[in-house]
Amino acid sequence: GAGVSQSPSNKVTEKGKDVELRCDPISGHTALYWYRQSLGQGLEFLIYFQGNSAPDKSGLPSDRFSAERTGGSVSTLTIQRTQQEDSAVYLCASSLESFSYEQYFGPGTRLTVT
Amino acid sequence: AQKITQTQPGMFVQEKEAVTLDCTYDTSDPSYGLFWYKQPSSGEMIFLIYQGSYDQQNATEGRYSLNFQKARKSANLVISASQLGDSAMYFCAMREVQTGANNLFFGTGTRLTVIP
Repeated sequence: GAGVSQSPSNKVTEKGKDVELRCDPISGHTALYWYRQSLGQGLEFLIYFQGNSAPDKSGLPSDRFSAERTGGSVSTLTIQRTQQEDSAVYLCASSLESFSYEQYFGPGTRLTVT
Repeated sequence: AQKITQTQPGMFVQEKEAVTLDCTYDTSDPSYGLFWYKQPSSGEMIFLIYQGSYDQQNATEGRYSLNFQKARKSANLVISASQLGDSAMYFCAMREVQTGANNLFFGTGTRLTVIP
């Protein structure tokens, strides 16, 4: 079956521009996570969606970051007025339910802010 | 304080040998889960193995086993009979259950290189 997909795979943008990153979770997975991985670092949690509940935004680094999940499926992470420190790989993961221990990750979007 | 610590930035192992990747964790939550993920150069995170804090036995999955020492708060990954395809970054992660945190906390990773 299809895994988690993300688009674009690579994005180069100029400082100050807005970007949108997309995640298609595995069909039927109710939980969706966004993480950020900076060069040489582990993954940093950004935001979590579970069904129709209010998202857990506790990991978002600033108010320039926001995310939506439409219809309980596709999610979009938006970064406004991008800064160079936003350059990283943005990884999306999904799992069957919030307490399911296995998160399935997508291939990531490599964002470069010039 | 870091919740997950991986002290080995890089490790080398001879093909067919076993290797241990270290991981220590810090939590006051009595209920938690420990995970290991593999990240090859393609970038995808691949789930390897899981250990629950109340599990009595060490988890095993094929050539992977988790050496869980609860009192020491360590959860080392052992890879037996290393293969060239095992060369990758390996991340240890933890999920706390009772604190209500929804995410995984990751370490900084260990880059494993298998030498032919």
